[in-house]
Amino acid sequence: EPEVTQTPSHQVTQMGQEVILRCVPISNHLYFYWYRQILGQKVEFLVSFYNNEISEKSEIFDDQFSVERPDGSNFTLKIRSTKLEDSAMYFCASSVFGDVAGELFFGEGSRLTVL
Amino acid sequence: RKEVEQDPGPFNVPEGATVAFNCTYSNSASQSFFWYRQDCRKEPKLLMSVYSSGNEDGRFTAQLNRASQYISLLIRDSKLSDSATYLCVVNLNTDKLIFGTGTRLQVFP
Repeated sequence: EPEVTQTPSHQVTQMGQEVILRCVPISNHLYFYWYRQILGQKVEFLVSFYNNEISEKSEIFDDQFSVERPDGSNFTLKIRSTKLEDSAMYFCASSVFGDVAGELFFGEGSRLTVL
Repeated sequence: RKEVEQDPGPFNVPEGATVAFNCTYSNSASQSFFWYRQDCRKEPKLLMSVYSSGNEDGRFTAQLNRASQYISLLIRDSKLSDSATYLCVVNLNTDKLIFGTGTRLQVFP
């Protein structure tokens, strides 16, 4: 069964450092997303990406965050200067259709710990 | 008021029991509705979409009441493997899914 894969599974970093989280969406999917979940809290939308550009972003997704699809397979989330409050599980997701009319497939997540 | 509100539980039920979860949402413009399941420290997975007429998938039945802005999930004949957190999710016809905090279910033998 095709799946969304994410690396690394866990990253520990110092405050102020740059972090890049990587995702390989399902190959025939066209819509890509990043969500995050702080421990014990709800899953929160960060950004959606379609046709090589951001289609929607939340207020969490400020200038410290960026996304890229550099080579047609990987989809990356970069946090330029990490803060303690960026510690969370980051989930990549992809879907065939936009408007979440179809199912979103989530990766297993990348746990980010900022010290 | 929270965008999507759920009773956090936990609901502790014996195997074979029927259990119901409720969810309310604040934005009447919400267009699509879902129940996702999340196992401990894992990713959310779609359990079922929720349609206006109500829908059933095996032991799971979902209902939507647009007038009351209320969604429900009924699980019949609970199995140990149903133990998880059930996430109520809505969409406003944008790219963004809005998740509730989830209701934790623990099924015991």
